[in-house]
Amino acid sequence: DSGVTQTPKHLITATGQRVTLRCSPRSGDLSVYWYQQSLDQGLQFLIQYYNGEERAKGNILERFSAQQFPDLHSELNLSSLELGDSALYFCASSVTSGRLNEQFFGPGTRLTVL
Amino acid sequence: GQQVMQIPQYQHVQEGEDFTTYCNSSTTLSNIQWYKQRPGGHPVFLIQLVKSGEVKKQKRLTFQFGEAKKNSSLHITATQTTDVGTYFCAGSVSGRGSTLGRLYFGRGTQLTVWP
Repeated sequence: DSGVTQTPKHLITATGQRVTLRCSPRSGDLSVYWYQQSLDQGLQFLIQYYNGEERAKGNILERFSAQQFPDLHSELNLSSLELGDSALYFCASSVTSGRLNEQFFGPGTRLTVL
Repeated sequence: GQQVMQIPQYQHVQEGEDFTTYCNSSTTLSNIQWYKQRPGGHPVFLIQLVKSGEVKKQKRLTFQFGEAKKNSSLHITATQTTDVGTYFCAGSVSGRGSTLGRLYFGRGTQLTVWP
């Protein structure tokens, strides 16, 4: 158990819908990262937050948005869902935003878009 | 843009054989991390290399960071069925304040070990 929690574990929805994925980082960790993992794309970095502020952006679609709240939990919002958005979404956390910090991954949310 | 390439994508070995996965970056990395993801699980941190030419060992696992800090390798000696999973390398770059902490992941090497 990494100490990072993600809800829900599974999510099944239809195209065009909007969903929210939630992540609670390890106690004391200020930085949160979101990744998308699909079979043919490996781990794709989406976005990073540090202490409530966006710190780095990766290949995140405009239909996707995220935020980190004052209590440090984070939410990833996916809208106008397409079949290709079906994937495993991981949240990870680290103590700070520095590059020498190891990242602790949550168990993931498996999103299926029908 | 920054890219980290990892090969091979798949590796099937007999238990007891050795295994190596290689990671190459298009630019110099400040450090590299290795993660393991078991089937159905999430990535778990294994180790971090920071210095040029650094070599670290964890039991049967040997990690190397190239002299130019552009490549890295993970070697497993005498694989066991418990080694099954996908091994990812992930590098960080320096000099970009707003992206410090971001890891550039390779696509991973999926290791299968036959008993």
